[in-house]
Amino acid sequence: GAVVSQHPSWVICKSGTSVKIECRSLDFQATTMFWYRQFPKQSLMLMATSNEGSKATYEQGVEKDKFLINHASLTLSTLTVTSAHPEDSSFYICSARVGSNSPLHFGNGTRLTVT
Amino acid sequence: GQQLNQSPQSMFIQEGEDVSMNCTSSSIFNTWLWYKQDPGEGPVLLIALYKAGELTSNGRLTAQFGITRKDSFLNISASIPSDVGIYFCAGQNFGNEKLTFGTGTRLTIIP
Repeated sequence: GAVVSQHPSWVICKSGTSVKIECRSLDFQATTMFWYRQFPKQSLMLMATSNEGSKATYEQGVEKDKFLINHASLTLSTLTVTSAHPEDSSFYICSARVGSNSPLHFGNGTRLTVT
Repeated sequence: GQQLNQSPQSMFIQEGEDVSMNCTSSSIFNTWLWYKQDPGEGPVLLIALYKAGELTSNGRLTAQFGITRKDSFLNISASIPSDVGIYFCAGQNFGNEKLTFGTGTRLTIIP
């Protein structure tokens, strides 16, 4: 089945630094990938839609200059959390689908802790 | 925006019991999905429903797409320890790739 891989699985960084999270579709090409954020004991909230070769589409309330998304190839999207603050600590999960009518498959997530 | 409410919020059951949870929406969806999330991992797809009234099974799991298109339920029969986790419903509409997730149901099995 479709496999979506995220790296790293966890990261700890200091306030003010930037962190990059990678999302790869391992056995299929994904023109669109989705980035979600999940706070403890809460549901998944869509942050942005990553489009290969074009700008990402951000959900309302998500700062595009803080959460930089790059989707340079059909198998890789990256999310960079810039100038991280403790309130950015969360579980970040990417997802992708094989075809336009197929369900989303999720990566294993990246736990970010900002100290 | 759209919001999906799941109930119950949490369940404490004994191994071997059947489980039932549901998801309701304030608006209609064309596709309903059920995912399971284990601690520290991403959600894994359990069942996808594409047609109102559709009843679909996946092993011990059975899910139905409500006739009104505003709800769905998931049943788990004869629960086992590995069923522990958080179950999320998600809705999607044609022409919109975004998923709207439910609030989640946390399943705990009491030894």
